[in-house]
Formats: sequence, C-alpha cells, structure tokens
Amino acid sequence: EAQVTQNPRYLITVTGKKLTVTCSQNMNHEYMSWYRQDPGLGLRQIYYSMNVEVTDKGDVPEGYKVSRKEKRNFPLILESPSPNQTSLYFCASSLRSGGVNTEAFFGQGTRLTVV
Amino acid sequence: DAKTTQPPSMDCAEGRAANLPCNHSTISGNEYVYWYRQIHSQGPQYIIHGLKNNETNEMASLIITEDRKSSTLILPHATLRDTAVYYCIVPLENAGNMLTFGGGTRLMVKP
Repeated sequence: EAQVTQNPRYLITVTGKKLTVTCSQNMNHEYMSWYRQDPGLGLRQIYYSMNVEVTDKGDVPEGYKVSRKEKRNFPLILESPSPNQTSLYFCASSLRSGGVNTEAFFGQGTRLTVV
Repeated sequence: DAKTTQPPSMDCAEGRAANLPCNHSTISGNEYVYWYRQIHSQGPQYIIHGLKNNETNEMASLIITEDRKSSTLILPHATLRDTAVYYCIVPLENAGNMLTFGGGTRLMVKP
C-alpha cells in the first residue's frame, strides 16, 4: 500500500531536548516536505526536498533541520525544541513529472508538545 | 504566484451535490489547480487537479472556467464523511511547487 509513515504519532518532550521525527515513503517519490499546522494559521511549509541531498527552506524553517540522505526518508530534526514548536506536523511526498509535482500524499501527522 | 480565495464555510444536505467555489484570478497559463481536503486533524488528502479541461474521478468533478480565473469542485452526492476543510491550491512554481494552504472552505454535510 502506498503510504507516508511518520513516527512518532504523539510526543511530549521538554524544552531543549533534541528530537527527531521520522518520515518514510514507499512510492519512490522525489519530492518530500514538512508542514506544521497551528490553530488559526493553517498549514505552513517548514522545509522541502526536491531529491536526495537537495533541501530548501519553506515558509517557517527557523528552529528546524532536515536531511535527505536516501530517497525514501526525510527526517525532521529539532535541535533545541521550544514551546512555540508545539504543533501538529505533517510529512508529504509527491512524484515530479515534467518539473511539476503530482498529487501529494500526506502522513497521518505527529502531535508534538514541548513543555 | 496565483493566490486563491474560497468562502470560509458552506453547508450541504446529505445526498445533495456540494459545489465548492474557488477564485484564482491571477493564475498563469501553465499553472494547475489542485484540490485537497482535511478531515478533522488527519493528513490532507488529494482529491483532484486540472489545468484547462474539466476533470472527473471517483471522488469529485472539477469545473474550470474558460478564462481559468475560477473553478468549482463538485461532490455529486455528499455524505456525512465528506465533512472536512477543502483547500483549493495553485502550487508555487518558484518554490519547488510548494503547496500553500490557505484557510480553505469548511464544508459541513448535514443529515
């Protein structure tokens, strides 16, 4: 089954404790991205990757890092989480065809709370 | 960058067609229109996309006006499970085709 898998689904952590949210897709998609969703602010893109070893900032990259060492994985790293990073996070992937992303598949989300 | 405008909310009776409008008056000639929906706090789900011609799949139909400045997503027989926020998106080409989610339309399907 084609899917994007995020782990963990829920996480409560303390300020400053480094964490990684994993994202994996089984569709051989070139394009992957991370979004955060906050009440009243909608979905905002954090980082995206057009292919292996190619990443770029989205709208709200501060406080986050990503890496794309393999095509299927795109982890989101919070080196020193702060309470303002408490949010619902989504990973997405899509195929690129003719320079255009086709339909995007989203993971089920990771609800992160930083206390 | 083509920005989209949608009504914040709509109601629809169960079994009736839901027609969700979207305005994208600044769309350029080679930009696609995509529709996604998000049910509660689940990950957004792709519905349909189109360039110029009307499109139909198992979920919905997409009607794009001839001037491409607006479109309508049609759910032909809405069910309670179609209650969701529907997003009309024109991806940003100069940002890796990033999907920019606006406020969307909150569709409430009522019995």
